[in-house]
Amino acid sequence: EIVLTQSPGTLSLSPGERATLSCRASQSVSSSYLAWYQQKPGQAPRLLIYGASSRATGIPDRFSGSGSGTDFTLTISRLEPEDFAVYYCQQYGSSSGFTFGPGTKVDIK
Amino acid sequence: QVTLRESGPALVKPTQTLTLTCTFSGFSLSTSGMCVSWIRQPPGKALEWLALIDWDDDKYYSTSLKTRLTISKDTSKNQVVLTMTNMDPVDTATYYCARMFFGEGIDYWGQGTLVTVSS
Repeated sequence: EIVLTQSPGTLSLSPGERATLSCRASQSVSSSYLAWYQQKPGQAPRLLIYGASSRATGIPDRFSGSGSGTDFTLTISRLEPEDFAVYYCQQYGSSSGFTFGPGTKVDIK
Repeated sequence: QVTLRESGPALVKPTQTLTLTCTFSGFSLSTSGMCVSWIRQPPGKALEWLALIDWDDDKYYSTSLKTRLTISKDTSKNQVVLTMTNMDPVDTATYYCARMFFGEGIDYWGQGTLVTVSS
């Protein structure tokens, strides 16, 4: 099973700042089958990025994903007030399971 | 319009078997590439992927829970059913069903259903 590690656990930033979130896999993620989700309290997660770098429908272009193999990054170029949330990465390229990372909380500094 | 809705008991006793049903609309699970997953989230904790069934009736399970899980589908009813045996208080969580198109991440989620395990 592929284990995902996310860092940092919490990121404290101000609106307008740039956020860089990391997701590292214990082994290579097949075909860059890596997704990022945003979750706000009391809500289901929302798909932001799939295939490591493709934005999902309706996602603003301030969200971007990059990486391959075992190292992936989600970047939010300029934080808007609605971006403060928890972000999860997920790999879905392994037949032994489509695991999630533990999440990174982006909160207001 | 794609929707998914989870249904099942809100409360189960330890050792019992949990059966959850996901009823969906707006897509067909017989379409090539279509998948439905179950994911759970204990209160205040991270997401945990549980199981997935695809258009070809292939099934995938969490390594740590596979002995307790069974996923099945009824394409004619647009339903996916998850059973989890030998429930324990640590299985208390919100359980989500969600749609994934192969290779494209989970794009639609149900609202989730909270299942509490307690005697």
